[in-house]
Amino acid sequence: SAVISQKPSRDICQRGTSLTIQCQVDSQVTMMFWYRQQPGQSLTLIATANQGSEATYESGFVIDKFPISRPNLTFSTLTVSNMSPEDSSIYLCSVEEDGNLFGANVLTFGAGSRLTVL
Amino acid sequence: KQEVTQIPAALSVPEGENLVLNCSFTDSAIYNLQWFRQDPGKGLTSLLLIQSSQREQTSGRLNASLDKSSGRSTLYIAASQPGDSATYLCAVNTDKLIFGTGTRLQVFP
Repeated sequence: SAVISQKPSRDICQRGTSLTIQCQVDSQVTMMFWYRQQPGQSLTLIATANQGSEATYESGFVIDKFPISRPNLTFSTLTVSNMSPEDSSIYLCSVEEDGNLFGANVLTFGAGSRLTVL
Repeated sequence: KQEVTQIPAALSVPEGENLVLNCSFTDSAIYNLQWFRQDPGKGLTSLLLIQSSQREQTSGRLNASLDKSSGRSTLYIAASQPGDSATYLCAVNTDKLIFGTGTRLQVFP
């Protein structure tokens, strides 16, 4: 299965600043996703990162707050903009590896990026 | 709207016990269901994937079952060990993964 590297693994940020998280995959994948896990809660999908076009955002998430880039089939970035303490979460990158049937494949996750906003 | 619930929220057992973790979902129109393990400060590790046409999957001491019609899945852990201590998440795959609330498991020696 794909191996995913996320950077940074953790960071402490000041209110009002922005931070970009990188996700690198060791193979080409069609589907890449960004999730958020707030303290004590389960994972929530932020957006699907589409190669060569704008990301598809889930309800409650907007591009101005969480701009996403997907320049190629192995790399994506998520920026958390104008951070507040409520943005303190683990952010995880996930990929669904190419297969013949959409939705039939195992999703693989990166180790996550733990952000603390003061 | 798909909702995924896991029971119990937390579980603490002595080593050696056999365990059952429960996952329920409200919409049976899923591609598959996946069980994950999450260790503190780490990402998610996929344990088992059950396709919508399957009834169960086994990997080592783990066995997961799926009853789509009733919207239920169970994860059975045989002969639990302290190394099994983690949070276990189930997720149903529609056009995206919807995660459950998780079961925090502690196995003590």
